[in-house]
Amino acid sequence: AQSVAQPEDQVNVAEGNPLTVKCTYSVSGNPYLFWYVQYPNRGLQFLLKYITGDNLVKGSYGFEAEFNKSQTSFHLKKPSALVSDSALYFCAGRGSSNTGKLIFGQGTTLQVKP
Amino acid sequence: EPEVTQTPSHQVTQMGQEVILRCVPISNHLYFYWYRQILGQKVEFLVSFYNNEISEKSEIFDDQFSVERPDGSNFTLKIRSTKLEDSAMYFCASSKGPGIAGGGYNEQFFGPGTRLTVL
Repeated sequence: AQSVAQPEDQVNVAEGNPLTVKCTYSVSGNPYLFWYVQYPNRGLQFLLKYITGDNLVKGSYGFEAEFNKSQTSFHLKKPSALVSDSALYFCAGRGSSNTGKLIFGQGTTLQVKP
Repeated sequence: EPEVTQTPSHQVTQMGQEVILRCVPISNHLYFYWYRQILGQKVEFLVSFYNNEISEKSEIFDDQFSVERPDGSNFTLKIRSTKLEDSAMYFCASSKGPGIAGGGYNEQFFGPGTRLTVL
């Protein structure tokens, strides 16, 4: 069965420090992977995606993610965290299905402290 | 920037009643989706819809559920005879396309959600 996992319920980081939010996947065929962020009372906002090509993808708000096929991971990173980055982050993936169905991880709450 | 909108933001209903959740996808998008998130659990796929028909549905999406695009702008999810376990946040999403056909993958844009509470 296809799955996406986020092993950490919460990540705490000090403002200005680098952050990493972890994601691993198990999907059929070539993986297509996404990161979304959710602020309170808002919908899921798209951050970035990996389809093919460079393993390091850059997205909105200074976020980037590294695709690692051998470790089946797609960790979200940012070199210098901001307090405003505090939110709920979802990793999602899909495999060969042509219908666009996304499989989500359980979400990781990022808390950036001043 | 265009957004997906959903109404109502919160719906409270009695068990056994029918509810209709409404979504207005981004206007030039062709693919539409419903997902739900039960409190404390993962976001789960319910159904995808393209060209006026369901293209994929999950095991959750049984005969109790139906979707419709009644006009050129709205996309609705109907839940007949609601159950307590239907209480969840329901997200609508839309995208230009689902897959790599045409040379690119199109990310899904999500609405803010409708919180459904079944009493």
